[in-house]
Amino acid sequence: GENVEQHPSTLSVQEGDSAVIKCTYSDSASNYFPWYKQELGKRPQLIIDIRSNVGEKKDQRIAVTLNKTAKHFSLHITETQPEDSAVYFCAASRGSNTGKLIFGQGTTLQVKP
Amino acid sequence: ETGVTQTPRHLVMGMTNKKSLKCEQHLGHNAMYWYKQSAKKPLELMFVYNFKEQTENNSVPSRFSPECPNSSHLFLHLHTLQPEDSALYLCASSQESGLAGPSSYNEQFFGPGTRLTVL
Repeated sequence: GENVEQHPSTLSVQEGDSAVIKCTYSDSASNYFPWYKQELGKRPQLIIDIRSNVGEKKDQRIAVTLNKTAKHFSLHITETQPEDSAVYFCAASRGSNTGKLIFGQGTTLQVKP
Repeated sequence: ETGVTQTPRHLVMGMTNKKSLKCEQHLGHNAMYWYKQSAKKPLELMFVYNFKEQTENNSVPSRFSPECPNSSHLFLHLHTLQPEDSALYLCASSQESGLAGPSSYNEQFFGPGTRLTVL
């Protein structure tokens, strides 16, 4: 069935360094790929998303890249700050109107000051 | 209240109890979702309601029963749960265009969740 694999499960970086989280998906019909950030005790919130008709999208320190051929997409955070510490989830959705998202397992990012 | 709200925020119940979780969205969206979030596991989609119609039931056991009386409210009725059902239950909503393709998706907004403990 549909599956999204996310790596690594935990990531620790020094403040100012870059962080990269990678996801692969199994359903070749997937065409929407959002990334959510969940701080401790809080709800998941969308930070960036990408659609299958583009290969890269950037929003300030955050960027997402998509390789449809290889069926993987990645989140890149540059100049990390302690407030970036959270759990990050990738997700994939196929071309239907149900809004169904398949989530990855999550990556716990720790940014050390 | 703005956004997506959920009540109660915490719930402890026995295996023989019957309880309900409530979700309300104040965003004018037409689609609502229930997710289960367990420790060490990804967010699991349980149910999807689009224009008040259930469009997805992700093989959820019948001890979970959803209800969507209108596009702003979503309930999850619980009965005879098991300890392994203990988790954070998240509600979300979005505005769906009803079309297919990559341009049809919009952000899902999550509620704060209900932390459920089954004894």
